[in-house]
Amino acid sequence: GAGVSQSPSNKVTEKGKDVELRCDPISGHTALYWYRQSLGQGLEFLIYFQGNSAPDKSGLPSDRFSAERTGGSVSTLTIQRTQQEDSAVYLCASSPLGGTYEQYFGPGTRLTVT
Amino acid sequence: GENVEQHPSTLSVQEGDSAVIKCTYSDSASNYFPWYKQELGKGPQLIIDIRSNVGEKKDQRIAVTLNKTAKHFSLHITETQPEDSAVYFCAASSTGGADGLTFGKGTHLIIQP
Repeated sequence: GAGVSQSPSNKVTEKGKDVELRCDPISGHTALYWYRQSLGQGLEFLIYFQGNSAPDKSGLPSDRFSAERTGGSVSTLTIQRTQQEDSAVYLCASSPLGGTYEQYFGPGTRLTVT
Repeated sequence: GENVEQHPSTLSVQEGDSAVIKCTYSDSASNYFPWYKQELGKGPQLIIDIRSNVGEKKDQRIAVTLNKTAKHFSLHITETQPEDSAVYFCAASSTGGADGLTFGKGTHLIIQP
């Protein structure tokens, strides 16, 4: 079946512009996660949705980052006034129920801020 | 919060030999430990996971062991093949998952022909 999809696959933007990244989870998965993977680094957890709500947004790196999920499905991660340090691969994962259930990752969006 | 350490950062083995990657975690409340394989330009792929109520789990050439007392877990790959070459990540999570997975820094596994 269809896995997690993300768009765009690549995004180059100028410093100071806003960007919006999209994640389509596996159908029926109630939990959705956003992670960031910087060059040569591991994966950094950003935010978690159970249904449409995000219980804790403290993992977002700064107030320039926001995320929402509507209809219990598609999620968007928005970065305002992008900075060069925002350059990274942004990964989305979905899980049937969250908690200690398996997380399945999408291919990621590679963001480059020039 | 949770901290996961992973070793080695790079591992080179001869094709057909075994590979072992080790991870330690700090939060005794963690109870779910997945392993991911990531190939260049792709997202991480879940290859095996273990929960804290078992000590070992095996799936064909891949096995994971967990020592809750010592707070460490390991990935074992036997009869390595060229397609096993990739970066492997361990991770840990506690019940609820609201904090997501905490990942190790990754191990670049190189299978020498």
